[in-house]
This record gives sequence, C-alpha cells and structure tokens, in this order.
Amino acid sequence: QVQLQESGPGLVKSSETLSLTCVVSGSSISSGYYWGWIRQPPGKGLEWIGSIYHSGTTFYNPSLKSRVTVSVDMSKKQFSLKLSSVTAADTAIYYCARLDDAFDIWGQGTMVTVSP
Amino acid sequence: QSALTQPASVSGSPGQSITISCTGTNSDVGGYKYVSWYQQYPGKTPRLMIYDVSQRPSGVSVRFSGSKSGNTASLTISGLQAEDEADYYCCSYASNNNYVFGGGTKLTVL
Repeated sequence: QVQLQESGPGLVKSSETLSLTCVVSGSSISSGYYWGWIRQPPGKGLEWIGSIYHSGTTFYNPSLKSRVTVSVDMSKKQFSLKLSSVTAADTAIYYCARLDDAFDIWGQGTMVTVSP
Repeated sequence: QSALTQPASVSGSPGQSITISCTGTNSDVGGYKYVSWYQQYPGKTPRLMIYDVSQRPSGVSVRFSGSKSGNTASLTISGLQAEDEADYYCCSYASNNNYVFGGGTKLTVL
C-alpha cells in the first residue's frame, strides 16, 4: 500500500524559504509516476504547486514558478518542495500526492503558517 | 492560468441526483481527457472520485459519475446520501504540463 508523508517546519518567517519533504513508502519513487505538491489556504480551495518525475523533470504553476523548486532524492525515496520569499498568502496546508492521470494518492497534509 | 469555475454550492435531498459543473477553456478541460474530481470532508485529505473524465477508481461508489461536453465537465451523484455532504473539487490537465483546480463546490444534503 503506497503511503506519502509530509514533514517540515510548521512556522516560517515572512520573506524566508519554506521547505517540506514527502517520504514515499510502499512503492518505488522511480515507478513511472509523477509526484506533486498541492496546497490549500485555510477555508479556501486547492492549488497545484508543481510536479516532478524521478528523472528530475519538473513542471511548476506559472503563478509560483519564480519562487518554487521541487527536487527528488531517489535514495531516500522522497521529494521536496522549496518556496522562497514567503508571505502570509503562503499560509496553507501543503499536501504531497502521487500523480498518475490524476492525483490518486495523497499525504495527510502539513499546515505551514507564515509569521510576520 | 485561471481556476476552473464551479458553483459555490449545490444541494439536494436524499435519494435525488445532483450535478456539479466545472467550466474551463480549450486549453484545459476542453482540450484534454485528464479531468478529475475530488471529495473532501472538513479537516480531511481530498479523495479521488473520478479520473480521465469518467473513470471511477476502485472503491468509489457507482453513484458517482463524470462526463464532459466542450469546455465543461460535470460530476453527477445519484441516489444522494447524507455521507455525500462534502466539498468537491474538479481538476484538469492544462497545456505545458500544468494542472488547474476549480474553486470547489459545497454539497449540502437537505
């Protein structure tokens, strides 16, 4: 059974860089899927952040592209998100997910708050 | 890219059928078969309910169905049950390997 688990600081200061990691268990991270990050501000909808293939090929939301980096570490079976120059608007639950034709398996999500 | 357009809320009585629409453009919903739908209970993780416009993952009730016409995709829930009360989000693949979500629809079972 494939499971994803996000981890990282729950509080990040404004203007600094948000860093999160998603560990994949029950499946090889190089099994032919893409892996993605999605976020959800409190009380609001879902927003796709970016996706990565095990080869390192990445695709980013154009609205976030200048601030986002997604990377993969196959040896650790994990992929990571870095979002720079954060503001209060980046406060959200951050989910990692497996991407097949759709986001079919999700992590439980981790809440990140940006403080002034 | 702009978010897909969904109604903010829909409602129905137990046993009835409801349909949630998801309107995009030729560059997303209208251009590709990769439309998906997610169910989310308050405080919970989204769950995939429909993929590739009309395909149901294993374990999803046959009461959930999806379709698409032009730039608008739809999720239909038949035989509405109290447990269907949740938020529903559509998502579409868009050009240049992007993905875009709808704003979400709150389903109330009366």
